[in-house]
Amino acid sequence: SQTIHQWPATLVQPVGSPLSLECTVEGTSNPNLYWYRQAAGRGLQLLFYSVGIGQISSEVPQNLSASRPQDRQFILSSKKLLLSDSGFYLCAWRGPRGRETQYFGPGTRLLVL
Amino acid sequence: AQKVTQAQTEISVVEKEDVTLDCVYETRDTTYYLFWYKQPPSGELVFLIRRNSFDEQNEISGRYSWNFQKSTSSFNFTITASQVVDSAVYFCALSADYTGANSKLTFGKGITLSVRP
Repeated sequence: SQTIHQWPATLVQPVGSPLSLECTVEGTSNPNLYWYRQAAGRGLQLLFYSVGIGQISSEVPQNLSASRPQDRQFILSSKKLLLSDSGFYLCAWRGPRGRETQYFGPGTRLLVL
Repeated sequence: AQKVTQAQTEISVVEKEDVTLDCVYETRDTTYYLFWYKQPPSGELVFLIRRNSFDEQNEISGRYSWNFQKSTSSFNFTITASQVVDSAVYFCALSADYTGANSKLTFGKGITLSVRP
């Protein structure tokens, strides 16, 4: 069966510091991978998606970037965090065509002070 | 553009009451998918159901049931005999039948359900 991991679970960072959040998926090959952010007020917003290694598309211009160095690894980064980057970051994967459901990881709570 | 509207923001019921969570969607696609997710206090989004646009058959799973009506662009979720463990935020979401970005989920703003003992 497939599982998705995210770490760290919680992170408190000062403004201006770098960020690296990691997401890995097990039990599947060539998944579509997604990064969502849930800000206070609970709306979920797609940040990045990837259909393969090295293929990253951004949905919203922002202070963040994403990379996919391996098939089942998706990384969210920032060089300098802003207060507005605080939120709950969720990684999701989607299987091959015909299995259209996105499954989410446990999420990372980021607080920028 | 796709849009999902969950007009109810917070619902509070007493245990064993039935509760219906409303979801209305907008899309220009002829083929699409609708979803419901549950977000308990722990934060993880738990997948509940997926419905294809070409399948309007309603579905029942234990105490949960879903009513999909294309004529009114609605995909409502009913919990029968609610329990305290049902307390969570519930999201309705929409996805087009494509790969890549077009498979992204468009979420409603969520409904906070509180079930009191």
